[in-house]
Amino acid sequence: TQLLEQSPQFLSIQEGENLTVYCNSSSVFSSLQWYRQEPGEGPVLLVTVVTGGEVKKLKRLTFQFGDARKDSSLHITAAQPGDTGLYLCAGEEGNTPLVFGKGTRLSVIA
Amino acid sequence: DAGVIQSPRHEVTEMGQEVTLRCKPISGHDYLFWYRQTMMRGLELLIYFNNNVPIDDSGMPEDRFSAKMPNASFSTLKIQPSEPRDSAVYFCASKVEPGAEKLFFGSGTQLSVL
Repeated sequence: TQLLEQSPQFLSIQEGENLTVYCNSSSVFSSLQWYRQEPGEGPVLLVTVVTGGEVKKLKRLTFQFGDARKDSSLHITAAQPGDTGLYLCAGEEGNTPLVFGKGTRLSVIA
Repeated sequence: DAGVIQSPRHEVTEMGQEVTLRCKPISGHDYLFWYRQTMMRGLELLIYFNNNVPIDDSGMPEDRFSAKMPNASFSTLKIQPSEPRDSAVYFCASKVEPGAEKLFFGSGTQLSVL
């Protein structure tokens, strides 16, 4: 069974601070996705990374896929209250369904 | 497009009662997934369908759970009889094809079994 471990589980920071959250596995994935989930809603896809070592930027968010395609990180620069939510990573191998981590719950305080 | 539509948004029921959750996937999406989310276990895949056919139901916790997809635009997840440990948020999601494709989630059904 492929498992994705996310850390930290909870993170509370002040507006304007930078942060990094991590997604780790002992398994190799063909692709990895990051989702953000707000209270009362379903997860929404932020980005998909496919190539080992790949870096993608989405405004203040930077996503990196590990060289061995077993881990990923999400870095947020100058966090804002609107970044508050549950960040989930999900890995896919071939055509098997996505496996999700338990998420990092981020709270950005104004 | 209205996105993935789930109903009801909230369901409160008593132990032993039958619960039916409903989902309408995005038109044209060939894959439909049912997930359950709890604080302890995160987001767990229960079952998924391809072209209305169940492909993998190994995540269905017990025989009390069943899912159907009678046509491309409708799926149900039924729990009979329900138990308090079934309390969770149940999500339906759909996507066009396998592989690194975007998964679209509904807003979920918050189920509370008393």
